Amino acid sequence: QSVLTQPPSVSGAPGQRVTISCTGSSSNFGAVYDAHWYQQLPGTAPKLLIYGNNNRPSGVPERFSGSKSGTSASLAITGLQPEDEADYYCQSYDNSLSGPVFGTGTKVTVL
Amino acid sequence: LLQESGPRLVKPSETLSLSCTVSGGSISTSYSYFWGWIRQPPGKGLEWIGSLYYSGSTHYNPSLKSRVTISVDTSKNQVSLKVSYVTAADTAVYYCARSLSYSGIIGRVDVWGQGTMVTVSS
Repeated sequence: QSVLTQPPSVSGAPGQRVTISCTGSSSNFGAVYDAHWYQQLPGTAPKLLIYGNNNRPSGVPERFSGSKSGTSASLAITGLQPEDEADYYCQSYDNSLSGPVFGTGTKVTVL
Repeated sequence: LLQESGPRLVKPSETLSLSCTVSGGSISTSYSYFWGWIRQPPGKGLEWIGSLYYSGSTHYNPSLKSRVTISVDTSKNQVSLKVSYVTAADTAVYYCARSLSYSGIIGRVDVWGQGTMVTVSS
């Protein structure tokens, strides 16, 4: 029932840059609601990675960055590290749902 | 900060009941936050179930609204979830979550519980 679409998987070698797209619609990103991103390591709860489109909580490495434009958002990992291998989810608010919505999730593999 | 508790196994057609104990702050005075539930079926993505504001107002995912009740026990500083008439499709890890409030909009989740796996099976 996700209304935010992400690629199922992306991969890269250590040190490379990878990006994850998150495609929404006029009822979420297009209605100027923010994009947030979460990292979920295996067997653990998600952790807030990026909030308000491009802000990092304290303790999140600078190699993680976010952006939003129109009805889409994206997460970039610059200088991929082995510990970045995880699932990543975008999230926003949707005014047709009147609640938060999550992306379909993307598995990042470090080659 | 958030700790889920409740039965791990529920029979089909029965009611799933979970509690989330909040420590480090009072639910009833936290006007900056929503307190709610998010679930994740095995191998699948995250789904918002519903959220409760400190005033007691509730917001539910329309796809689950007819079966879900979220309530608060201020004396125990707990938020509870009930899902009625469960089926195997309700098998999931259930997370208690604190979301920031922006003028009534349920924003980002800044605190997650560790999650509890609930299986629906006879």
